Amino acid sequence: EFVLTQSPATLSLSPGDRATLSCRASQSISSYLAWYQQKPGQAPRLLIYDASKRATDIPARFSGSGSGTDFTLTISNVEPEDFAVYYCHQRNNWYSFGQGTKLEIK
Amino acid sequence: EVQLVESGGDLVQPGGSLRLSCAASGFTFSAHWMHWVRQVPGKGLFWVARINLDGTTTNYADSVKGRFTISRDNARDTLYLQMNNLRGEDTALYYCVRESGWFDPWGQGTLVTVSS
Repeated sequence: EFVLTQSPATLSLSPGDRATLSCRASQSISSYLAWYQQKPGQAPRLLIYDASKRATDIPARFSGSGSGTDFTLTISNVEPEDFAVYYCHQRNNWYSFGQGTKLEIK
Repeated sequence: EVQLVESGGDLVQPGGSLRLSCAASGFTFSAHWMHWVRQVPGKGLFWVARINLDGTTTNYADSVKGRFTISRDNARDTLYLQMNNLRGEDTALYYCVRESGWFDPWGQGTLVTVSS
């Protein structure tokens, strides 16, 4: 069974900090990975696709890296509006999502 | 503006049926594969089904196969999800999603609650 595992489950940071979120695939998915942001009461929003490409209107402080089985979403300078839940998503082996990382205010 | 608006969610008894709709606007609906993704409130995301451009190819998650049917009406720019034999574990917020390589954008969702 294909699994995407995100870590940590919760990340507590202060505005201005650097956030590093991880997503690990149980088998290689090349670069077929995306990251979404979800705020309370809202639908998910595409941030990063093809592992490292920023979606339209996404600020440059968001960046993605990785290929194969290990991927990272980095927020270089966390802004107050960035506190949310982040999901990784793969489309190499049908479709599946990680369980999410909650970025919370410290 | 690209917009997806779901409707049809409701409280239904186990074993019951429900049809969800998703009205698309602001883009050429017939040029995109479409998906349904669900989310139990407070939990993660789960892919449910997809449909190709003209509706001739459909695929489902194993847990809904044989019970759910995805369809589309390109003349009405509308996506559907017919859900039969509903179970408690189908309780979730159901999102309609456009595929442009990836899932973007998402509708706001419609809530399905399966309970007696």
